[in-house]
Amino acid sequence: EIVLTQSPGTLSLSPGETATLSCRASQSVSGSYFAWYQQKPGQAPRLLIYGASNRATGVPFRFSSSGSGTDFTLTISRLEPEDFAVYYCHQFVSTPETFGQGTKVEIK
Amino acid sequence: QVQLVQSGAEVKKPGASVKVTCQASGYIFIDYYIHWVRQAPGQGLEWLGIINPSGGTTTYAQRFEGRVTMTRDTSTSTVYMDLTSLTSEDTAVYYCARAGLASAFDIWGQGTVVTVSS
Repeated sequence: EIVLTQSPGTLSLSPGETATLSCRASQSVSGSYFAWYQQKPGQAPRLLIYGASNRATGVPFRFSSSGSGTDFTLTISRLEPEDFAVYYCHQFVSTPETFGQGTKVEIK
Repeated sequence: QVQLVQSGAEVKKPGASVKVTCQASGYIFIDYYIHWVRQAPGQGLEWLGIINPSGGTTTYAQRFEGRVTMTRDTSTSTVYMDLTSLTSEDTAVYYCARAGLASAFDIWGQGTVVTVSS
């Protein structure tokens, strides 16, 4: 099973700042089989990034992603109030598919 | 529009079974795999398994093997997830999700709360 470890657990930032979220895999993952999701309280997760660096429909340009192998990064530039949420990484190169434990981006 | 609509909340006693439904609309049902993911209160996301709506083939997470069954009805574009021998640790929100964009989960159901309590 591929374990995904996200860091930090919580990120306290102010609107307008840049958030950098990390996801490290216990084994190499092809970027084609990697995604990021955003989840707000009481809602289902929402796909942000797929194929490691492609924004899903309607996702603002301030969301970007990079990485390959075992290290992936989600960057949120110029945080907007609606960006404060929990973010999960996800690998689907092998089963069981796994998610990171989440990074909460909170208002400082 | 493209959507997955799930059945309503369930309250079950330990040892019972639960069946959650997920009805697809707005796209060709058999063209996209459906996954089931759950989220315990205050916790992260856990993958349960996947079903191919076209042929009905399934793959389950090993820890749920023998307890989970995923089926589909192509006539109603509905996928079902059965979980048996429930314990309090199965209390969670259960989501179905479509494997769309490059197999990432692009459409999610609204979630079904399953509470297991005596």
